Amino acid sequence: GDSVTQTEGPVTVSESESLIINCTYSATSIAYPNLFWYVRYPGEGLQLLLKVITAGQKGSSRGFEATYNKETTSFHLQKASVQESDSAVYYCALGSNSAGNKLTFGIGTRVLVRP
Amino acid sequence: DTTVKQNPRYKLARVGKPVNLICSQTMNHDTMYWYQKKPNQAPKLLLFYYDKILNREADTFEKFQSSRPNNSFCSLYIGSAGLEYSAMYLCASSRDGGGSAQYFGPGTRLTVL
Repeated sequence: GDSVTQTEGPVTVSESESLIINCTYSATSIAYPNLFWYVRYPGEGLQLLLKVITAGQKGSSRGFEATYNKETTSFHLQKASVQESDSAVYYCALGSNSAGNKLTFGIGTRVLVRP
Repeated sequence: DTTVKQNPRYKLARVGKPVNLICSQTMNHDTMYWYQKKPNQAPKLLLFYYDKILNREADTFEKFQSSRPNNSFCSLYIGSAGLEYSAMYLCASSRDGGGSAQYFGPGTRLTVL
């Protein structure tokens, strides 16, 4: 079946340092998968951070970037300089174009940013 | 308004008793989803409604029921709760179409004793 593997947390970084969360996927039932990063801030629900639906394209939001690499089946999330407010749990997810757009999530990576 | 609401936020249930969780959205989204989230595990899709059509995942087919009386509301029903049902239940909705974002509610934490 489809699966997503991401960096095991927690990941602790200091403010203004760079952050990378690795994500690789296996899409056995989806010909052209869509890729997403969702984030859950403390006390809040899951929300979309960014998405890319075309291989080779890059998505960006709130200073985060991720490039859809079909050759390496990866969708790593990066930010050059994190802030304390980036402390959250980040989920990589794989979706389909079919009706229903089901998502397969990774286990989530907790990121702690030290002031 | 991009809010998805879930009720209750916390639910305590006894083993063998039924549980009914409620979700609502006012975005006129075609599709509504239910996920189960346990500690240290990925959110797992249980079922989804595409318009009025219910789709249940194969491995949870007999464990969960759902209804969608109108576009805005969707319920998740457990006929007889077991200890293994203790989890966070996340409701989401989306406009259909490839790449559409799903909007999540805050979740209902179910504890079965």
